Amino acid sequence: DAGVTQSPTHLIKTRGQQVTLRCSPKSGHDTVSWYQQALGQGPQFIFQYYEEEERQRGNFPDRFSGHQFPNYSSELNVNALLLGDSALYLCASSLWGGSSYEQYFGPGTRLTVT
Amino acid sequence: QQQVKQSPQSLIVQKGGISIINCAYENTAFDYFPWYQQFPGKGPALLIAIRPDVSEKKEGRFTISFNKSAKQFSLHIMDSQPGDSATYFCAASKGSGAGSYQLTFGKGTKLSVIP
Repeated sequence: DAGVTQSPTHLIKTRGQQVTLRCSPKSGHDTVSWYQQALGQGPQFIFQYYEEEERQRGNFPDRFSGHQFPNYSSELNVNALLLGDSALYLCASSLWGGSSYEQYFGPGTRLTVT
Repeated sequence: QQQVKQSPQSLIVQKGGISIINCAYENTAFDYFPWYQQFPGKGPALLIAIRPDVSEKKEGRFTISFNKSAKQFSLHIMDSQPGDSATYFCAASKGSGAGSYQLTFGKGTKLSVIP
């Protein structure tokens, strides 16, 4: 049973560029949430996708956008990168509307903006 | 506004001892309280979780204690082992209303278990 997978593992970008990160949820899950984890901090919620629509959004600017595909996989896009966007980006998968609120995280993508 | 406050920031425990990490929350709408364990360079792994209808939940060496009136919950690691050395995060979420299902995390506790 495959867990949550993310790609790429590491990424180095220059300020002003755009980046796309990818996530495949755990088998049987239909909901994907994205989190940003700065060094030494807890993860912060960016947004959540279910049925190919953004359902919840945290306090992040419009430079952060996403997409969910019919196979439940998801992409996170960040435009006009800033130095402060350097962080570990985590994808979490879950089952929408279930009695269990459990979210399972992938290994993350380490983004460095120079 | 930090909705989940976690303490201590770091903790050193002797092998075989008990590790205790505390969290306090503000939003009374929260109804799910998980703990995650994170090793360097890895994603957080779900360790144990509790709902507010019970005061304690135990899974192996890990126990969550929950105090609804005080809006506090804690993680106890019994017989702590060097392999438990990691960063632990408490979190909270709710199942309805605005912001449902999104996890709000504490800032983390770095646990070091020394032999």
